[in-house]
Amino acid sequence: DQQVKQNSPSLSVQEGRISILNCDYTNSMFDYFLWYKKYPAEGPTFLISISSIKDKNEDGRFTVFLNKSAKHLSLHIVPSQPGDSAVYFCAASVDNYGQNFVFGPGTRLSVLP
Amino acid sequence: DTAVSQTPKYLVTQMGNDKSIKCEQNLGHDTMYWYKQDSKKFLKIMFSYNNKELIINETVPNRFSPKSPDKAHLNLHINSLELGDSAVYFCASSQDGSETQYFGPGTRLLVL
Repeated sequence: DQQVKQNSPSLSVQEGRISILNCDYTNSMFDYFLWYKKYPAEGPTFLISISSIKDKNEDGRFTVFLNKSAKHLSLHIVPSQPGDSAVYFCAASVDNYGQNFVFGPGTRLSVLP
Repeated sequence: DTAVSQTPKYLVTQMGNDKSIKCEQNLGHDTMYWYKQDSKKFLKIMFSYNNKELIINETVPNRFSPKSPDKAHLNLHINSLELGDSAVYFCASSQDGSETQYFGPGTRLLVL
């Protein structure tokens, strides 16, 4: 049973528009969440995180929203750029010390020029 | 059933020792990976195996050696452990040609 789910394996968005990547989790003990971005043949790169004490965290074009009651988080990228085309992994943990991370299977984002 | 499992979950050992971390996947995937997560949560790919062949070998010390007894297992053996090896190590698997990867729970290694 997957504790972290990314139900959309792929997403295509036009350049300049908003990209919304979704992630759902089942374990209510999770209180720290991260998004990773991965290019082909490279390891995932840490992108942005959010603690459960917040419902929003913003870093430039990237914003992560957390809805604890729905056990749902989303990553918004606006405006989307072709260089954003990658696989995005959602990960969750019961703390922010790097222990016990659980990863989702990833969503491939394609930003079309 | 756990899709990708790793053992042990925690490993504390002395410098200079040799240790192994095991990884097993029951998804029938063709490719398995090892990643090292540093203190800034960056995941660095170390190795990947496809049908028992090493296809990626990043610039990791040769003290690290992956061993794949069969398609469902990719174990990580580390010789002469150093303090800098302390990190969380993640195993992952994917179906050949797919970018979707399923990660194990991680193994926290602490070298004293």
